[in-house]
Amino acid sequence: GENVEQHPSTLSVQEGDSAVIKCTYSDSASNYFPWYKQELGKGPQLIIDIRSNVGEKKDQRIAVTLNKTAKHFSLHITETQPEDSAVYFCAASDGSARQLTFGSGTQLTVLP
Amino acid sequence: SQTIHQWPATLVQPVGSPLSLECTVEGTSNPNLYWYRQAAGRGLQLLFYSVGIGQISSEVPQNLSASRPQDRQFILSSKKLLLSDSGFYLCAWSVGATDTQYFGPGTRLTVL
Repeated sequence: GENVEQHPSTLSVQEGDSAVIKCTYSDSASNYFPWYKQELGKGPQLIIDIRSNVGEKKDQRIAVTLNKTAKHFSLHITETQPEDSAVYFCAASDGSARQLTFGSGTQLTVLP
Repeated sequence: SQTIHQWPATLVQPVGSPLSLECTVEGTSNPNLYWYRQAAGRGLQLLFYSVGIGQISSEVPQNLSASRPQDRQFILSSKKLLLSDSGFYLCAWSVGATDTQYFGPGTRLTVL
């Protein structure tokens, strides 16, 4: 089955700096890669996703890049703000079982 | 638009007592439904998923069971709770063959 590894487990940045979270996956058949943000005590929220037919996708301060050859994808947050502080999860799916395999999460702290 | 509800939001139960958590989705038909558990500071563990009424797949052996009595209703149950059942329980939905999952607000269960 699919295995997703996520790094780092914790990340602290100064407000205004950029943050990068990286994930690697094992199944070359995976073709869908979402990112979720989870605030304390709440359910995860989808913030951006990418499919294997594109290499990069942006949405304002958030971007995701995908390298299918190396089987890794990354979340980039620019101009970080304190409200970006949360746990971020990556995930991967090959679409066949309607299931997502999640990474272990990254606690991002943006210091004011 | 689609919305997902979970209740109760929090629950404190003694060891050995029964459990019933409910999840309902509005604004869509025939969704795929999922139950996840999240231990404190940990990742997401898929417990059950359902692609239709009465169709339940279990991902891990455990003290819990799931049922789907109606198209947009998913119930998580236990006959006798264990201390290890404590955690944050999340319901999610997706549609058709798409992989995008949307999470509910979660239920915080504490077993004492």
